[in-house]
Amino acid sequence: AQSVTQLGSHVSVSEGALVLLRCNYSSSVPPYLFWYVQYPNQGLQLLLKYTTGATLVKGINGFEAEFKKSETSFHLTKPSAHMSDAAEYFCAVSANTNAGKSTFGDGTTLTVKP
Amino acid sequence: DTGVSQDPRHKITKRGQNVTFRCDPISEHNRLYWYRQTLGQGPEFLTYFQNEAQLEKSRLLSDRFSAERPKGSFSTLEIQRTEQGDSAMYLCASSPGPSLNTEAFFGQGTRLTVV
Repeated sequence: AQSVTQLGSHVSVSEGALVLLRCNYSSSVPPYLFWYVQYPNQGLQLLLKYTTGATLVKGINGFEAEFKKSETSFHLTKPSAHMSDAAEYFCAVSANTNAGKSTFGDGTTLTVKP
Repeated sequence: DTGVSQDPRHKITKRGQNVTFRCDPISEHNRLYWYRQTLGQGPEFLTYFQNEAQLEKSRLLSDRFSAERPKGSFSTLEIQRTEQGDSAMYLCASSPGPSLNTEAFFGQGTRLTVV
């Protein structure tokens, strides 16, 4: 069984500030981990993923995340927020046998203040 | 490659009516997934196909729901006797399949409103 907990349903930052969105997971098998972004009434767009290998993964739009097995975490960061980053962000976990079947967290809404 | 396509994008129906949604996956993707997303929640897995075979169904998929992928290409999701609780975004996704185990690529979703 797998589960995801996203700490903080709403995060607000000022433009140019650090973005930190928190994600903890549980998985009984080696996990694949993902961060997706969703804009209103749109589907999900993949930001980045961890499958195997390097634990620090870089994604699109300047985002990165670090897989920490000991902490069962996969937090998403961006050094400097942009207004266009305002959206909903979802962390997801899959078993390594079927990467497309994911368990999602409840999401974090990111607000960027000018 | 135009990505995963879903039709319609929006559907409003009266309680008790049947509705059907269509999903066209990325060509040559063997796996196709259906998810449901209610307001304020993350997507929840409903079912998935590998080619034309439906390999897994979630407990969320009640007997009013049926999904098909008859020729291993497009898929349909039908909801019979809709209820207000069925109001949600229905997301379709596809992935290459077991030989290339990557993430699923999502469509834009179908927003269902049951009145």
